[in-house]
Amino acid sequence: EAGVTQFPSHSVIEKGQTVTLRCDPISGHDNLYWYRRVMGKEIKFLLHFVKESKQDESGMPNNRFLAERTGGTYSTLKVQPAELEDSGVYFCASSQGPGASSKFFGPGTRLTVL
Amino acid sequence: GDSVTQMEGPVTLSEEAFLTINCTYTATGYPSLFWYVQYPGEGLQLLLKATKADDKGSNKGFEATYRKETTSFHLEKGSVQVSDSAVYFCALMDTGRRALTFGSGTRLQVQP
Repeated sequence: EAGVTQFPSHSVIEKGQTVTLRCDPISGHDNLYWYRRVMGKEIKFLLHFVKESKQDESGMPNNRFLAERTGGTYSTLKVQPAELEDSGVYFCASSQGPGASSKFFGPGTRLTVL
Repeated sequence: GDSVTQMEGPVTLSEEAFLTINCTYTATGYPSLFWYVQYPGEGLQLLLKATKADDKGSNKGFEATYRKETTSFHLEKGSVQVSDSAVYFCALMDTGRRALTFGSGTRLQVQP
């Protein structure tokens, strides 16, 4: 069974540009989460989808970030326009059930904003 | 709000040494506690968990005990191996929430 996949693995862009990160959850997982780790600090929650609906977006930092999950399958996280402080590693996780023990994480996308 | 504090790394040990990575937490409810591990080039993997006070989570020789009185969940292993080299994250999930709150991670380097 394929795990959670994320694309790209690494993205380098200039300040002011737009970047779109993609996450493909494990097939059949209704719950999809985005997290990010900035500058080697703690991993912070961004938002949670249940199927195509945003269940909790309390961690989204500002309106430059837009997450979508059309059709309830893969999800995209767009940053527009990107700022220097957006650099970090963006993790996606999916689960069928609500418990943390059932969450499977992807390898992350490393975003570098110059 | 909830928070997790863990010791800064990197922690460098020789093979077969004893490992302790400290983790303390602050939570408003009755959280479940977790340790995740990230090996180079891979995603986060759940290492172990404990869901209530005095529970001990264990896996692959690692252990951690949920101590409510000290709000701690320290990770221990009696004899580390080179293959244990990774970044370890302490995390909690508070009552009624589905999001994890993580610590800043501790890099462990085990030398042969």
